[in-house]
Amino acid sequence: DADVTQTPRNRITKTGKRIMLECSQTKGHDRMYWYRQDPGLGLQLIYYSFDVKDINKGEISDGYSVSRQAQAKFSLSLESAIPNQTALYFCATAGGRTDTQYFGPGTRLTVL
Amino acid sequence: GQNIDQPTEMTATEGAIVQINCTYQTSGFNGLFWYQQHAGEAPTFLSYNVLDGLEEKGRFSSFLSRSKGYSYLLLKELQMKDSASYLCAVKGRGATNKLIFGTGTLLAVQP
Repeated sequence: DADVTQTPRNRITKTGKRIMLECSQTKGHDRMYWYRQDPGLGLQLIYYSFDVKDINKGEISDGYSVSRQAQAKFSLSLESAIPNQTALYFCATAGGRTDTQYFGPGTRLTVL
Repeated sequence: GQNIDQPTEMTATEGAIVQINCTYQTSGFNGLFWYQQHAGEAPTFLSYNVLDGLEEKGRFSSFLSRSKGYSYLLLKELQMKDSASYLCAVKGRGATNKLIFGTGTLLAVQP
């Protein structure tokens, strides 16, 4: 079984809809992250969390919100989706001596 | 400011050796990571350097020079499955563990 899972893997939605992306991990890591990836722009950090109820903004948090209700789960919400939020979204967890980040399989989101 | 530079694309031949360079300018330094990412898939961890020198792991090696703000990833005995993007990422100093990612180098391995 994968250590970091994301649901859904693909989602097509319409402008103005509320969307939630889920991330779960079995690695026992405290630190969790949400990134988006656009072609040619690399990975951009949206939000990150170091523990339950701990929430920190990344580079591009506008238009997004997150929830960390349990150590193993970190969810990302788009309250009112817009087309320029069409992207590949990755969740990551980090831990261990080097704090290496391990990524989930990604969610491909399309906003029409 | 914070900046990471990598070549956008590279091409190499199956069985050969290729070196992918990464230069960085960041506020503080607490480690450099290399990831491999196949199209549409998740980045997967390849290597970590925090001290100067070469780290070898099978066909892949990674080098770091902190004084020069420079790293490279060396791939030996190239295989077709090595065709992917290679991402360089730097962790700044402090407790946040935030990584700054380069835009990646797309490597095409040709027969």
